[in-house]
Amino acid sequence: DAGITQSPRHKVTETGTPVTLRCHQTENHRYMYWYRQDPGHGLRLIHYSYGVKDTDKGEVSDGYSVSRSKTEDFLLTLESATSSQTSVYFCAIREQGIGTGELFFGEGSRLTVL
Amino acid sequence: AQSVTQLGSHVSVSEGALVLLRCNYSSSVPPYLFWYVQYPNQGLQLLLKYTSAATLVKGINGFEAEFKKSETSFHLTKPSAHMSDAAEYFCAVSDARGKLIFGQGTELSVKP
Repeated sequence: DAGITQSPRHKVTETGTPVTLRCHQTENHRYMYWYRQDPGHGLRLIHYSYGVKDTDKGEVSDGYSVSRSKTEDFLLTLESATSSQTSVYFCAIREQGIGTGELFFGEGSRLTVL
Repeated sequence: AQSVTQLGSHVSVSEGALVLLRCNYSSSVPPYLFWYVQYPNQGLQLLLKYTSAATLVKGINGFEAEFKKSETSFHLTKPSAHMSDAAEYFCAVSDARGKLIFGQGTELSVKP
């Protein structure tokens, strides 16, 4: 199994509070991604990173920010959580940047915003 | 821009029957295509991928998929379903910068 750890795995929070999800990898892969999974929508890309301090927005980035100060860690922050951000969040890593490289996924972080 | 459409959000088959999960893609460049499987409360794992080497791609657990450019399809099949195949399946296409764009997912149920 790819060495990807997401934390926390489960979190319940209230509207308006900040939340940070952490993705930690031991594979030294350059590329990291954050997706959210919602019924009927599949997985949608929030943010991604091509290396340390090199990040970019995905298709559903509003309300989210990311940081990558070390190769192994990719943090996803919700500055002020809303109920629409209740979801399951997946981190993924990839060794290659070209299209043929597969993504390896973490186990997911289930976030509930009340 | 690349996109993926999975036909049918839920498919139910009997054990031993053919599994057919449909995926159509849209891509302005030769596509790289993937099928992933997700078991309950787990992350996604790769079933198979198409990278232009061969149009018929064999994956894990007896699954295979055929790339048909004329039909812009990449349907997933398995000749004989097993109870352990019950899961959600996602088709995905890689864009020009290597990001994966996923379909909506198809939940497969297998009846005894």
